[in-house]
Amino acid sequence: DAKTTQPPSMDCAEGRAANLPCNHSTISGNEYVYWYRQIHSQGPQYIIHGLKNNETNEMASLIITEDRKSSTLILPHATLRDTAVYYCIVSGSGGSNYKLTFGKGTLLTVNP
Amino acid sequence: NAGVTQTPKFQVLKTGQSMTLQCAQDMNHNSMYWYRQDPGMGLRLIYYSASEGTTDKGEVPNGYNVSRLNKREFSLRLESAAPSQTSVYFCASSSKRTSGTNEQFFGPGTRLTVL
Repeated sequence: DAKTTQPPSMDCAEGRAANLPCNHSTISGNEYVYWYRQIHSQGPQYIIHGLKNNETNEMASLIITEDRKSSTLILPHATLRDTAVYYCIVSGSGGSNYKLTFGKGTLLTVNP
Repeated sequence: NAGVTQTPKFQVLKTGQSMTLQCAQDMNHNSMYWYRQDPGMGLRLIYYSASEGTTDKGEVPNGYNVSRLNKREFSLRLESAAPSQTSVYFCASSSKRTSGTNEQFFGPGTRLTVL
């Protein structure tokens, strides 16, 4: 699976959009981009995934660049409860996609 | 619908003791996983079970054994606990969608300390 690079930490003001970047320059054609988050001491929570088109669900939006070498997770109106570590993960869709490789992620702190 | 449940929530062991961590899911998922998370680190895969009756090693399998008891349950056993196994253990489950993607759902974790 391709490796991802994320900033170690980011801050965001409550009510503003949080934009979390991720680089995955070695991503291959059949690999998806997944985003998970982990609120302190809890199990990780799936947020969203995408292949090449932008995706949106009730939690967030995922913007993937045309060359697929980077992506941005957008939380449109961040709240204090969105303070968490956010993991960007690249994983294939074939038989090897059982493995999610978690890096250190980005600690997003939402400030009042 | 409880999702993924894990027992116990906390456990303290002495070096050399054995124990089994239990995990169950009620989402009818085919695949189940065990991860460990050390302080300040991301999760590392210990073992996984792609489907009932199969298990495979992950990134850090040494010192652990697993049993996929049935479709719902996947247990992790430490035969002779070592201080290096002090960690938080997370169980997860998933079912592959027709697109081939694989969103995993995680339990609340078991916090294990080995003295």
